[in-house]
Formats: sequence, structure tokens, C-alpha cells
Amino acid sequence: LAKTTQPISMDSYEGQEVNITCSHNNIATNDYITWYQQFPSQGPRFIIQGYKTKVTNEVASLFIPADRKSSTLSLPRVSLSDTAVYYCLVGVVGSQGNLIFGKGTKLSVKP
Amino acid sequence: DVKVTQSSRYLVKRTGEKVFLECVQDMDHENMFWYRQDPGLGLRLIYFSYDVKMKEKGDIPEGYSVSREKKERFSLILESASTNQTSMYLCASSVGGMNTEAFFGQGTRLTVV
Repeated sequence: LAKTTQPISMDSYEGQEVNITCSHNNIATNDYITWYQQFPSQGPRFIIQGYKTKVTNEVASLFIPADRKSSTLSLPRVSLSDTAVYYCLVGVVGSQGNLIFGKGTKLSVKP
Repeated sequence: DVKVTQSSRYLVKRTGEKVFLECVQDMDHENMFWYRQDPGLGLRLIYFSYDVKMKEKGDIPEGYSVSREKKERFSLILESASTNQTSMYLCASSVGGMNTEAFFGQGTRLTVV
């Protein structure tokens, strides 16, 4: 599975848009990019998944450039409740696959 | 909603004890995973299973074993618990194929004294 690199921490204020970038230089052709969110004392929760260009859902947007060597999770108008750790994963979970998490980005949203 | 249930939220065991952590999922998922999470280290994969009776080692399998006798249940076993196995343990399941969406349980905070 491709290794990912993301910032250890980020700070933001309520109402701002937050962009968290993940680098994955050795992404393979069949790899998807997935982001998870984890609140303290809870298991991670799937946010969004994409393969190329842009994906948007009710929670976030995921931007993937043409070379797919990086991706950006965009959280619009964050609130205090978006304070969490965000993980970027790259790979394919097939019948013999696995999910490898890095250390994630700790996002702190301030009032 | 998919539900992944871990048998205990908190557990305290003594050094040398054999410890069983149980995980059950209700969505007929192919894949199941066990992770441990420690401050500053993120989530580390211990074992995963892609089918009944099938298992693969993750990044840190030493000191652990797993069992998957039924599709819905994946057990993590600490053969002889040690204090360095004090951690938060998280179980997850996923449908497999090209889908990378996994569903996590609430975690078991294990303390070995």
C-alpha cells in the first residue's frame, strides 16, 4: 500500500474552510484515496473516498489532481464539532487487502 | 446501519493472563481488522482476515493471535498479556472489493497490570 504523508496538526476557526493535504507519491493505478475522521474515545468514521478529480458529499469534498500523487480533503465552514483527527489512506481493500492508517492530522477548531 | 460490536468497552487484566477480545459485525462483511491505538502512534494494524479461517499479519502481530471461525466474528487473543499491551483496541469490518469504507467498533480500552 502506498505510504501517505500529512501534517501532524492544523488549527482553524469556526466558519473557515479547512483544507488538509495528503501526499502519496507512490500511489498505484488501482488505489483509491480514502479519508477517515476520528473523535476522541471513538473508532474512526469513513468520510469520503475518491479515485480522481473531485468528489463531494454532504460532509466534505475531496480534490485529486491528475497525477494523483496528492489529495486534499476540504471541510467547508468548520465548527467546533469538527475538531478531530483526520486520516488519509491509499490502497485497495480487496479480499486479501488491508487498511493501513498513518498518524493522521489533528485538526483543532477554535471559537 | 452497519454495526460493529466489541464485547467490552473497558478491561483490566493481570500480566500473564490469556485475554480474548471479541468483535462481531452484522453486515456480512468479508474483511475484518484488529488495530491498536496508542498516543502519538496512530492506528497500527495487528491482524486482518479476508474470509472465515483466513488471516494475515499486519504491522505488529507479535504477542497476538486471531481467530475467525464464523464470518461475523473476529477474535483477538493475547496469549500472555504484558503491560506493553495496555492500549485501545479497535475492530473494523469492510465489505471488500474496491470499496475502502470500513466500519469501526467503539474500541476496548485494555489495561494490563
